[in-house]
Amino acid sequence: DGGITQSPKYLFRKEGQNVTLSCEQNLNHDAMYWYRQDPGQGLRLIYYSQIVNDFQKGDIAEGYSVSREKKESFPLTVTSAQKNPTAFYLCASHNIGRQYGYTFGSGTRLTVV
Amino acid sequence: RKEVEQDPGPFNVPEGATVAFNCTYSNSASQSFFWYRQDCRKEPKLLMSVYSSGNEDGRFTAQLNRASQYISLLIRDSKLSDSATYLCVVNANAGNNRKLIWGLGTSLAVNP
Repeated sequence: DGGITQSPKYLFRKEGQNVTLSCEQNLNHDAMYWYRQDPGQGLRLIYYSQIVNDFQKGDIAEGYSVSREKKESFPLTVTSAQKNPTAFYLCASHNIGRQYGYTFGSGTRLTVV
Repeated sequence: RKEVEQDPGPFNVPEGATVAFNCTYSNSASQSFFWYRQDCRKEPKLLMSVYSSGNEDGRFTAQLNRASQYISLLIRDSKLSDSATYLCVVNANAGNNRKLIWGLGTSLAVNP
């Protein structure tokens, strides 16, 4: 079955470390997105990409980086510059131009220890 | 005014009840609308898109009122499994999916 796979499900980061969250989709979707969700807050867009080798900053891109070398993959790196990285990270994908909603991965819960 | 506003709830209803959620949006240029369901500590899942003419999917009915800038979700004959947070999502620009705006969600608890 087609879908989006995020890994790992849980991740623990020490202060000052960079960590990379994986997102892979086999839906042949053009666009991919990274969101962050904190308790009591809505989803906030970190980065998005509508085509391979191109990506755009979202509303809260500081302290994060991404790459889109393949259509299927959109990894997110949480750098040491991100001061409050503890959150639930969600990857989503979508076919541009269609009015269907996004498909989400099951998320990665990142905790700073 | 927030771009997308929802009553956070929680709504506590007995099994079999009918419950309705409203969501208001501020951008009159918004073109597409969705309801998502999110279970505790899980990813959001698309429940239904909302069309201008209103649409129904089993026990769920979604309606759009462009004049008043709100959308609604009606759940009939509530089941225990309907307990979740319901997220209202608005796309201000049909050609640019970057503009999805997410509400904070309305929490529903269906009790036996």
